[in-house]
Amino acid sequence: RKEVEQDPGPFNVPEGATVAFNCTYSNSASQSFFWYRQDCRKEPKLLMSVYSSGNEDGRFTAQLNRASQYISLLIRDSKLSDSATYLCVVSGSSNTGKLIFGQGTTLQVKP
Amino acid sequence: DAMVIQNPRYQVTQFGKPVTLSCSQTLNHNVMYWYQQKSSQAPKLLFHYYDKDFNNEADTPDNFQSRRPNTSFCFLDIRSPGLGDAAMYLCATGRNSANEQFFGPGTRLTVL
Repeated sequence: RKEVEQDPGPFNVPEGATVAFNCTYSNSASQSFFWYRQDCRKEPKLLMSVYSSGNEDGRFTAQLNRASQYISLLIRDSKLSDSATYLCVVSGSSNTGKLIFGQGTTLQVKP
Repeated sequence: DAMVIQNPRYQVTQFGKPVTLSCSQTLNHNVMYWYQQKSSQAPKLLFHYYDKDFNNEADTPDNFQSRRPNTSFCFLDIRSPGLGDAAMYLCATGRNSANEQFFGPGTRLTVL
């Protein structure tokens, strides 16, 4: 079983749609959770951290469910510029300094 | 602007010819990471430095070595590149364990 699992997609949605991605992780000791965005042939960039209470940044909402060990990302009112790969990222065991990356979910927003 | 810089952005080498990739940062972060990413795959951690302490991943081949002469610079040496080493190599920095990481633009390595 992979440490961080995501549906690779692609998710093809029209502009303005709402789309949700889920991610599951295996290490119950993980403490930090993130969503990164990666454009084609570019480096990953931090989209948002994910907190236990859930957090929102504009059109993006992230949720964490520790009991079920999954993380979600909701994108509302999709824009063409949202087309990218979204990487679910989870910290390794405490104090290792490691992050574990999921394979990523590809989103294509169509006009 | 504070940033993570990687040079070169594109590197072409011959099978078996050593190559060195460099990374520098102006963020003054104490942790530096090297990842290998192949197409449609997750970034794979090769090793990282926590300050001067080197941490090698168990499955990182001996062909890959790293040096961190000071806080700002970190190098990835590939001693004898094989065709399977063609990939994007990403350098990242972080402030402490398990905090978010900041990536450089990557070096795309081609092995002929």
